[in-house]
Amino acid sequence: DVKVTQSSRYLVKRTGEKVFLECVQDMDHENMFWYRQDPGLGLRLIYFSYDVKMKEKGDIPEGYSVSREKKERFSLILESASTNQTSMYLCASRPGWGRETQYFGPGTRLLVL
Amino acid sequence: SQQGEEDPQALSIQEGENATMNCSYKTSINNLQWYRQNSGRGLVHLILIRSNEREKHSGRLRVTLDTSKKSSSLLITASRAADTASYFCATDQEGGSEKLVFGKGTKLTVNP
Repeated sequence: DVKVTQSSRYLVKRTGEKVFLECVQDMDHENMFWYRQDPGLGLRLIYFSYDVKMKEKGDIPEGYSVSREKKERFSLILESASTNQTSMYLCASRPGWGRETQYFGPGTRLLVL
Repeated sequence: SQQGEEDPQALSIQEGENATMNCSYKTSINNLQWYRQNSGRGLVHLILIRSNEREKHSGRLRVTLDTSKKSSSLLITASRAADTASYFCATDQEGGSEKLVFGKGTKLTVNP
């Protein structure tokens, strides 16, 4: 079975802190994604990566950056956390071109105070 | 941007009844997928239907796709309390994008 893990299930941070959310997949997938999920807004794509060191902005990249130094790991960085970044963050991976199913991690619920 | 729009936003039924959820989208697609999310968890893939298919079955799930109307429906037959979850459609858009576009979801409650 494909496994996508996220470093924390729950996280509480203060405004202005730098926050790292880690995601690891164990199936050699090419593509990895970061979403945030808010009530009434569904899933919104923040960034995705289709290869090591490659990244593309999604629909809401402002206030976020990402890092993919190794194929299995995709990190989401909040350079200076703000209260409007309180949300559920979901990581996903996908095998690659032509193989369509996405596999999701369990999510990280982030609270910024 | 969100392409898929699920309808209804919320649905409450009794165990044993069928549940139908609909999804509409705006642009041409390669395929449409349905995912399920239990409360506070990640999404799990349920079923994929390609643009040249009209209907697909998987266990108690039946998915239809009408590309002329840009719509899909997910039917869960003989529902169980364990089917309580949110259900999302996601479209793989024509044109080569690597990303799926998700709708806002239908929250299904199955009462025992």
